[in-house]
Amino acid sequence: EIVLTQSPATLSLSPGERATLSCRASQSVSSYLAWYQQKPGQAPRLLIYDASNRATGLPARFSGSGSGTDFTLTISSLEPEDFAVYYCQQRSNWPRITFGGGTKVEIK
Amino acid sequence: EVQLVESGGGLVQPGGSLRLSCAASGFTFSIYGMNWVRQAPGKGLEWVSYISTSGSTIYSADSVKGRFTFSRDNAKNSLYLQMNSLRAEDTAVYYCAREDYASGSFFDYWGQGTLVTVSS
Repeated sequence: EIVLTQSPATLSLSPGERATLSCRASQSVSSYLAWYQQKPGQAPRLLIYDASNRATGLPARFSGSGSGTDFTLTISSLEPEDFAVYYCQQRSNWPRITFGGGTKVEIK
Repeated sequence: EVQLVESGGGLVQPGGSLRLSCAASGFTFSIYGMNWVRQAPGKGLEWVSYISTSGSTIYSADSVKGRFTFSRDNAKNSLYLQMNSLRAEDTAVYYCAREDYASGSFFDYWGQGTLVTVSS
């Protein structure tokens, strides 16, 4: 099983600040990595797929980068609606899909 | 508008059974692979299963193998999850999610989830 480790567990930032979230895979997943956002009481929402492609309608302040084992989700300037939990997911060894443990972005 | 609506959750005793449904609308259900993903209270996401467009290919997580069965009815635009021999650790919100080839085969639409609670 490919283990995805997200860091930090919690990120405390203010609106307007830059958020940098990390996802590290236990072995290479090439670019088969996605990022999701989840708000309380809601289903996850796909943000980024194939490491760096933005989902339809996603604001440009969200960007993804990386390949192999190290990936980053960057939110260039946090908006109030961006405070949420973010998960990475790999499909490199589909169908054995795995998710990271999540990073909570909270208001400082 | 794409919609996925889960139903069938509830409180069940350990060892009991429950059947979840996921009703799809707003897209051609029969051409999409579908998945179930669950989330225990306050925890992260866990992939549960994948079912192919025709229903002929099914994969599931080891944690549910032999206890959960998966099916779909393309004529009814519906996905099903039959859960047997339920355990406390199966307590979670269960989501159905569409797998979209155009989005790298990641999950581009999710239902709102249905809560399954296994407790005596």
